Amino acid sequence: TQLLEQSPQFLSIQEGENLTVYCNSSSVFSSLQWYRQEPGEGPVLLVTVVTGGEVKKLKRLTFQFGDARKDSSLHITAAQTGDTGLYLCAPSGSARQLTFGSGTQLTVLP
Amino acid sequence: NAGVTQTPKFRVLKTGQSMTLLCAQDMNHEYMYWYRQDPGMGLRLIHYSVGEGTTAKGEVPDGYNVSRLKKQNFLLGLESAAPSQTSVYFCASSYDGYGYTFGSGTRLTVV
Repeated sequence: TQLLEQSPQFLSIQEGENLTVYCNSSSVFSSLQWYRQEPGEGPVLLVTVVTGGEVKKLKRLTFQFGDARKDSSLHITAAQTGDTGLYLCAPSGSARQLTFGSGTQLTVLP
Repeated sequence: NAGVTQTPKFRVLKTGQSMTLLCAQDMNHEYMYWYRQDPGMGLRLIHYSVGEGTTAKGEVPDGYNVSRLKKQNFLLGLESAAPSQTSVYFCASSYDGYGYTFGSGTRLTVV
């Protein structure tokens, strides 16, 4: 059973600050996805990373997949209140099943 | 385009009662999934389906049954509800088993 750890579990910052959240495991992944979940809603896919060392940018969000494909990070530049939510990483598994981490709950204060 | 629709959105059950949660998708996706989300536990896979007429067990299948008689629908059944099944249930679908589209969830309380 793969151990998937997201850190920090909770993060509260002021609007305009930068932040990084992490997703780590002892297993190698073929690909990994990041989702954001807002209160009362289902998770929404942000990005999929596939290649070791890959960096993808989505406006102020930068996603990186580790060289060894065991870890990933999400960096947000100049956070906004609209970035508030639960950020979930999900490495792909066999039989097309996603295993989700427990997430980082981000609160951006005005 | 509705995406993934879950019904009902809220439900309160008494211990021992049964119910069925319905998930419908209009994207012609092959793969469909049922997850439960509990505080501090993340999303845990209950059952999934890789195509019409097929189902398989996930991480936490006990106490649940599923059916996928039509490609667009995936039903989750609780035969005899228990308080431990109080949770938020999410359905998801996928074209290729990777990028998921989630519904907005069903909040179930078992008293």
